[in-house]
Amino acid sequence: QKEVEQNSGPLSVPEGAIASLNCTYSDRGSQSFFWYRQYSGKSPELIMSIYSNGDKEDGRFTAQLNKASQYVSLLIRDSQPSDSATYLCAVSFGNEKLTFGTGTRLTIIP
Amino acid sequence: DAMVIQNPRYQVTQFGKPVTLSCSQTLNHNVMYWYQQKSSQAPKLLFHYYDKDFNNEADTPDNFQSRRPNTSFCFLDIRSPGLGDAAMYLCATSARTGNSPLHFGNGTRLTVT
Repeated sequence: QKEVEQNSGPLSVPEGAIASLNCTYSDRGSQSFFWYRQYSGKSPELIMSIYSNGDKEDGRFTAQLNKASQYVSLLIRDSQPSDSATYLCAVSFGNEKLTFGTGTRLTIIP
Repeated sequence: DAMVIQNPRYQVTQFGKPVTLSCSQTLNHNVMYWYQQKSSQAPKLLFHYYDKDFNNEADTPDNFQSRRPNTSFCFLDIRSPGLGDAAMYLCATSARTGNSPLHFGNGTRLTVT
């Protein structure tokens, strides 16, 4: 069974610091990787997508993918209280549907 | 702006009383999904439509049904809601399965009394 694993947290990070969120997946054939942010009581919102090894940057967010290690991460620079949310990692295996991790709850401490 | 819209935002129903949740999209995406999400859990896929083709997940209870009368609309029918069906129901769309990201609606919070 294909699995996506995340540390559930909570992860507490001081305001202004770098928050690092990690995700591992079980299927080496995985091709598409997504990070979603979900505020309490709200629906998930797409933050980043990444498809090839290496880093992808978008503003304060950087996604890092290492297919050999089956590992994808999300870095949030200059963390703000508004970044406090649950971050969901989602992985697609070929043309199959997305598989979600259970999410990491991030708290930014002012 | 292109959007995925779910109605209602909150729905209260009685145990065993049928309920329908609706979803519409202006993205013109081929694929529409229904997810169930309970507190502190990952979204759980119930089923999806690729155009008119319906794809049911193996572990989705028969109590849950769906209709997609056209590209823009999709409905989730819960025939006899139980207390365990109380959850957030999320509609999402994508251009295609696999490598396309999902675009979620705002969700419908279902309460069963």
